[in-house]
Amino acid sequence: DVKVTQSSRYLVKRTGEKVFLECVQDMDHENMFWYRQDPGLGLRLIYFSYDVKMKEKGDIPEGYSVSREKKERFSLILESASTNQTSMYLCASSLVDRRNEQYFGPGTRLTVT
Amino acid sequence: DQQVKQNSPSLSVQEGRISILNCDYTNSMFDYFLWYKKYPAEGPTFLISISSIKDKNEDGRFTVFLNKSAKHLSLHIVPSQPGDSAVYFCAAFTGGTSYGKLTFGQGTILTVHP
Repeated sequence: DVKVTQSSRYLVKRTGEKVFLECVQDMDHENMFWYRQDPGLGLRLIYFSYDVKMKEKGDIPEGYSVSREKKERFSLILESASTNQTSMYLCASSLVDRRNEQYFGPGTRLTVT
Repeated sequence: DQQVKQNSPSLSVQEGRISILNCDYTNSMFDYFLWYKKYPAEGPTFLISISSIKDKNEDGRFTVFLNKSAKHLSLHIVPSQPGDSAVYFCAAFTGGTSYGKLTFGQGTILTVHP
């Protein structure tokens, strides 16, 4: 079974703080993704990575950055958290030759006050 | 520009009856479609998929239908069970990029009443 874990289930941060969200997968997947889920908007892709140290912007990258130093780990960074970044953040991973099958972590509910 | 749309935010069904969840898309380049199910406080889990070369795929109680000319797909759950109560996301896949992009709909909250 593929397992994708995220470092925190719930997080509360103050406006302006730097926030790190971590994701780890244990199935040697090449691709990793960060989404945010908001009511009425579904899941929107923030960033993805197809290899170590490689990253590409998704649909809504503004205000975010990412880091992938090891194959199994993909971090999402909010450089200066704002209240409009309050959301559910979901990490996913997939094999490069099974790109349509993404496996998701449990999510991190981030509240920025 | 919402390329994948689920126009019903919620659906309520009696246990044992059929649940039909609908999804419309606009991009004719989508070549694979998936349904994900999400319980509160959990990540989405893959439920069923269909390639654009097929019009139907069945897996137990779940059947997905694809109407390419109408750019419409639907998920049928028969019979519906209370444990099916969750948010259902339709997603469309474009294989044209190196990583393959999934585009998600807004989700439909399904409630199955005992």
